[in-house]
Amino acid sequence: AQSVTQLDSQVPVFEEAPVELRCNYSSSVSVYLFWYVQYPNQGLQLLLKYLSGSTLVKGINGFEAEFNKSQTSFHLRKPSVHISDTAEYFCAVIEAAGNKLTFGGGTRVLVKP
Amino acid sequence: EAQVTQNPRYLITVTGKKLTVTCSQNMNHEYMSWYRQDPGLGLRQIYYSMNVEVTDKGDVPEGYKVSRKEKRNFPLILESPSPNQTSLYFCASRPVGQVGEQYFGPGTRLTVT
Repeated sequence: AQSVTQLDSQVPVFEEAPVELRCNYSSSVSVYLFWYVQYPNQGLQLLLKYLSGSTLVKGINGFEAEFNKSQTSFHLRKPSVHISDTAEYFCAVIEAAGNKLTFGGGTRVLVKP
Repeated sequence: EAQVTQNPRYLITVTGKKLTVTCSQNMNHEYMSWYRQDPGLGLRQIYYSMNVEVTDKGDVPEGYKVSRKEKRNFPLILESPSPNQTSLYFCASRPVGQVGEQYFGPGTRLTVT
C-alpha cells in the first residue's frame, strides 16, 4: 500500500521569499502524484499533478513540483510567495492501477509581510 | 456551476444521536468519496463509491455508513456518533476515468459532545 510523508508540518516564510514544501512517498508500483491546496475555511483544490512525461510540472498560482523517482519525492516550490499563499498544502499519491488517493499530513504555510 | 455541495456546513450534536451529512454533485461523476480531516493526519478516506449501489470501505470506516442510490448523492450516516468522530468532513467526486484528481466539497465541521 502507498503512503505519503510531508516532512514539515509548518513553514513560516516572508512575502516574496521562495518556499519549498517537501513530500516523500512510498509505493511498490508506479504512482501518480498530486498537490492540493486548502485555503482557510475552504475545501481542497488541485494545484498540480504528475501523471507521466516531464518530471517538472507547473501548476496554478506560480507553483511547480519535481518528480524524482529515485528519491521517491515530489517537492513543491514557488520562487516568490504572496500573502494570499497562506494555506495548508497536501501532497497525495495514487497507484497507477488503483482507486485510492492517499494524502500526506499537510504543511501549513504562513506568509508573513 | 459545477460543484460538490455538502450540508450542513457546521453541526454540533450529542453522543448517540443519529445524523446524516448530505453530499451532492452536479457533474455526473461516477466516483464519490468521503474523507475526514484531522490535524497532522491529513485526509483519511472513510468510504468510497464507484457508481450507484457500489460502495466500499476506505481506511477509517468504523462508525460510519454510506449509501449510493442515485448517481449525484452520497450521504454519510453516523448511526451513533461519538466524540472521536469530531472532525472536518469532506465529500469529493471525479469521473471514473480521471485518475486521482478529485473535486471537493466545502467541508462539514462536526462536533460531537
